Amino acid sequence: DVKVTQSSRYLVKRTGEKVFLECVQDMDHENMFWYRQDPGLGLRLIYFSYDVKMKEKGDIPEGYSVSREKKERFSLILESASTNQTSMYLCASSLTAPLSTDTQYFGPGTRLTVL
Amino acid sequence: AQTVTQSQPEMSVQEAETVTLSCTYDTSENNYYLFWYKQPPSRQMILVIRQEAYKQQNATENRFSVNFQKAAKSFSLKISDSQLGDTAMYFCAFIQGANFGNEKLTFGTGTRLTIIP
Repeated sequence: DVKVTQSSRYLVKRTGEKVFLECVQDMDHENMFWYRQDPGLGLRLIYFSYDVKMKEKGDIPEGYSVSREKKERFSLILESASTNQTSMYLCASSLTAPLSTDTQYFGPGTRLTVL
Repeated sequence: AQTVTQSQPEMSVQEAETVTLSCTYDTSENNYYLFWYKQPPSRQMILVIRQEAYKQQNATENRFSVNFQKAAKSFSLKISDSQLGDTAMYFCAFIQGANFGNEKLTFGTGTRLTIIP
């Protein structure tokens, strides 16, 4: 089975802090994604990557950056956390490159609270 | 831009009954894929069922089936013989077909389904 893991289930940070959210997948998937999930808004794509060192902006990239130095690891970075970034963050991966029409496999999510 | 609409924020149904979750989408493309994902409470989101737009036959997966109406741009999920484990948030999602560099999964806002014992 595909396994997507995220470094933390719950995280509390202060405004202005730099925050790193880590995601690792163990199935050699080419594509990896970061979403945020908010009530009433569903899932919104922040960034995605279809290869090592490649990244593409999603629908809401402002205030975020990403890093993909290794195929299995995709990091989401909040350079200076703000309260409006309090949310559930979901990582996902999929096999087919460069398309994303293959099934996406999700991690358990990180619930980030910014005080 | 593609949009996905789930008009039912919450639904509840008695165990063993059948329930249908609605989803509509908007696209000008002819080649695309539709998905239903399930997110149980405090658990990982998983794929329930997937439909390719070029296939006329509705996808089925055990107790889960879809009613895909391409002309109406409708993609509803039917859960038969509902079970307590079906309690979850359900997301409808859409992705455009082969168009390098522009493939993004668009999600609806979700339907919270509760199965009542």
